[in-house]
Amino acid sequence: RKEVEQDPGPFNVPEGATVAFNCTYSNSASQSFFWYRQDCRKEPKLLMSVYSSGNEDGRFTAQLNRASQYISLLIRDSKLSDSATYLCVVNKGTGGFKTIFGAGTRLFVKA
Amino acid sequence: DAGVIQSPRHEVTEMGQEVTLRCKPISGHNSLFWYRQTMMRGLELLIYFNNNVPIDDSGMPEDRFSAKMPNASFSTLKIQPSEPRDSAVYFCASSLKVRDYEQYFGPGTRLTVT
Repeated sequence: RKEVEQDPGPFNVPEGATVAFNCTYSNSASQSFFWYRQDCRKEPKLLMSVYSSGNEDGRFTAQLNRASQYISLLIRDSKLSDSATYLCVVNKGTGGFKTIFGAGTRLFVKA
Repeated sequence: DAGVIQSPRHEVTEMGQEVTLRCKPISGHNSLFWYRQTMMRGLELLIYFNNNVPIDDSGMPEDRFSAKMPNASFSTLKIQPSEPRDSAVYFCASSLKVRDYEQYFGPGTRLTVT
């Protein structure tokens, strides 16, 4: 089993749609969580951190469920510019530190 | 701020040659990370440094790979000898601290080994 697993995608949605991505992680010692966005042939960039209380940034909402070891990202009112790969990222902190990236979920938003 | 700088942006070399990738982290960042990205394996952490000291190199695939950080503003990733399966995009990232802080990625070096 992979340490971080994401929906395989791709997701093809029309403009204005709401889309949700899911991510599960296997190590209960994981301490911090992020969603990164990667455009084609570009570097990953932080989209948002994920907190236990849930957090929202404009059209984007991230949720963390530690009991289920589950992270989600919700995008409302999708824009063409949201088309990208979304990477779930987990940091393991016990006894060291390691960043684990999920394989990513590709999103295509169409007019 | 110029962001994380990597060079070269593209490298094409023949199998058996030595390859050196370079990275300049963001000034003031204390942590530096080297990643490799391929279609098959996704984004993998190879090694990371904190305050110029290598902390975990368990992601380095083989002894052919080595990384150094002689000072706070420069790091190298070397592959010697290179093999076709090393072809990938290599990213360098830096962060203010190791834990819980955003990692800023450089533009990457696209390596092709023929």
